[in-house]
Amino acid sequence: KNEVEQSPQNLTAQEGEFITINCSYSVGISALHWLQQHPGGGIVSLFMLSSGKKKHGRLIATINIQEKHSSLHITASHPRDSAVYICAVCQETSGSRLTFGEGTQLTVNP
Amino acid sequence: GAGVSQSPRYKVAKRGQDVALRCDPISGHVSLFWYQQALGQGPEFLTYFQNEAQLDKSGLPSDRFFAERPEGSVSTLKIQRTQQEDSAVYLCASSWGLAHLFEQYFGPGTRLTVT
Repeated sequence: KNEVEQSPQNLTAQEGEFITINCSYSVGISALHWLQQHPGGGIVSLFMLSSGKKKHGRLIATINIQEKHSSLHITASHPRDSAVYICAVCQETSGSRLTFGEGTQLTVNP
Repeated sequence: GAGVSQSPRYKVAKRGQDVALRCDPISGHVSLFWYQQALGQGPEFLTYFQNEAQLDKSGLPSDRFFAERPEGSVSTLKIQRTQQEDSAVYLCASSWGLAHLFEQYFGPGTRLTVT
């Protein structure tokens, strides 16, 4: 079992839909990152959080430390949101390394 | 300012050849990370530098992999005697500090294909 599990693996939505991607982890963490990877490989950091909730534009990230769970929400989804979304955790035992989930492939159709 | 750059973007190597992959981090970033991403999978940590010091190399898969950052800026990941299982995208990221405190800025990656 991976230390970081994401669900779903693949998600197809219609433009305008509300989207939720989930991340569960089994280790103690000091921070969690949400990343976006577009075709061609470029990775962009969306959020880094260790508690509560953060919002940036149409993106919202939440984390529940007790339940070892985080969610990434996209409101009013758009085809340009199509990408792979990756959850990565920084374990308490190591401040230097991130452990990544396998990613969620999101496709938003017009 | 410029982001993280990596070169070459694509590299084809014959099995047994040595390769060197370069990363130019964002100017002033103290921390530099190397990751390996196999096709269809999430990245995996290889090694971490704080300035010129390699503080964590626990993710390097074998002693054929070697990384350096001699002046605390540009870093090179070297793979000796490449094997087919080394085929992957190698990502470099830089940040102002540790992964639990700062977001990371990723380069475009180097896609290595070993034939």
